[in-house]
Amino acid sequence: AQSVTQLGSHVSVSEGALVLLRCNYSSSVPPYLFWYVQYPNQGLQLLLKYTTGATLVKGINGFEAEFKKSETSFHLTKPSAHMSDAAEYFCAVSYGNNRLAFGKGNQVVVIP
Amino acid sequence: ETGVTQSPTHLIKTRGQQVTLRCSSQSGHNTVSWYQQALGQGPQFIFQYYREEENGRGNFPPRFSGLQFPNYSSELNVNALELDDSALYLCASSPKGQVATDTQYFGPGTRLTVL
Repeated sequence: AQSVTQLGSHVSVSEGALVLLRCNYSSSVPPYLFWYVQYPNQGLQLLLKYTTGATLVKGINGFEAEFKKSETSFHLTKPSAHMSDAAEYFCAVSYGNNRLAFGKGNQVVVIP
Repeated sequence: ETGVTQSPTHLIKTRGQQVTLRCSSQSGHNTVSWYQQALGQGPQFIFQYYREEENGRGNFPPRFSGLQFPNYSSELNVNALELDDSALYLCASSPKGQVATDTQYFGPGTRLTVL
């Protein structure tokens, strides 16, 4: 079964500091990889996705992620956290059937 | 362009009752997927509809059923509600559901509480 691991349910980061959210998948076959963000009382919004090609993917709001096949990882980063980045972030995978399997999410708190 | 909309926003039911949740897909999208998000968890895939036919199902019992209409809107029906059905139900539409890399666009969800 598809499995996505996101460590640390709550992540605190100071405003202006690096945001790093880790995502690992468990499969020998590389999946398609996605990061979604969920603000309170809203649906999920796509931040970025990796399908093929360049392994460093840039998304919206200054986020980027790098696909590393050897590490089965797709970690999300942003160089400088902003207060508006406080939200829940989900990593998800798909294996070609347009169905997403999500991790448990990271609740990001930005400290002024 | 109108995004994905869902109704109602909130719903309270009692155990054993039946519920219908509704989703209007984004204009031009022919595929709708439903997900259940329990508190503190990531969304879990329930099923997907493509051009009015069920196109894949997750690990949910048959009392979870759905429909897609000719205008590509969709319903999720849950019979014999159980306490564990309390969750946020998310609908997502995509323009070309049979394309693996297609982006899914999510609605705001329906919060179902079962007492």
